[in-house]
Amino acid sequence: GQQLNQSPQSMFIQEGEDVSMNCTSSSIFNTWLWYKQDPGEGPVLLIALYKAGELTSNGRLTAQFGITRKDSFLNISASIPSDVGIYFCAGLLNAGGTSYGKLTFGQGTILTVHP
Amino acid sequence: NAGVMQNPRHLVRRRGQEARLRCSPMKGHSHVYWYRQLPEEGLKFMVYLQKENIIDESGMPKERFSAEFPKEGPSILRIQQVVRGDSAAYFCASSPPRTSGRENEQFFGPGTRLTVL
Repeated sequence: GQQLNQSPQSMFIQEGEDVSMNCTSSSIFNTWLWYKQDPGEGPVLLIALYKAGELTSNGRLTAQFGITRKDSFLNISASIPSDVGIYFCAGLLNAGGTSYGKLTFGQGTILTVHP
Repeated sequence: NAGVMQNPRHLVRRRGQEARLRCSPMKGHSHVYWYRQLPEEGLKFMVYLQKENIIDESGMPKERFSAEFPKEGPSILRIQQVVRGDSAAYFCASSPPRTSGRENEQFFGPGTRLTVL
């Protein structure tokens, strides 16, 4: 089945630093999504990417849909303490006009920001 | 706008009992998905439903698990004769209709944390 490899598994950074994380897949996806999850809560959608090569920003967050459709990265600039949490990439495949609806998730990147 | 609602937030069951998890999608959303998350892991797809229809249940165990999304009321994930290995966080998500052009964006509820004693 489809698998997503997300790296790094964890990051410890100082407030103000930039952060980068990425996901690679053995399969192509039509959509890439990035989520953030706080302890005890559900994932919150940060950015959605729909086209190969697409670069999208949401405040201090920037994400790109890889040209091969098998990878994506997320950058966080000028990190702040509230960026702490677990970040997940997720891919979705639509084929032949049918939405499969099934998100495949990466293993997550645990981000710790030191003040 | 209210987000995706799930209840209960926490559920404790003894082995052999039944667990019922409820999910109300966001207003205007007709697609519902259930995922399971084990500690320190990503979410794993279980089932995708539209009103009164199961579209994809490829991630759902063949036995003891069932899901429904009736014409009226919330979606229900039902686990019969629970075992300790069923302990996990169960998340529901919903997505907008295809006419919105954003049908691939799934919005998650806060989850139900099931503990089987």
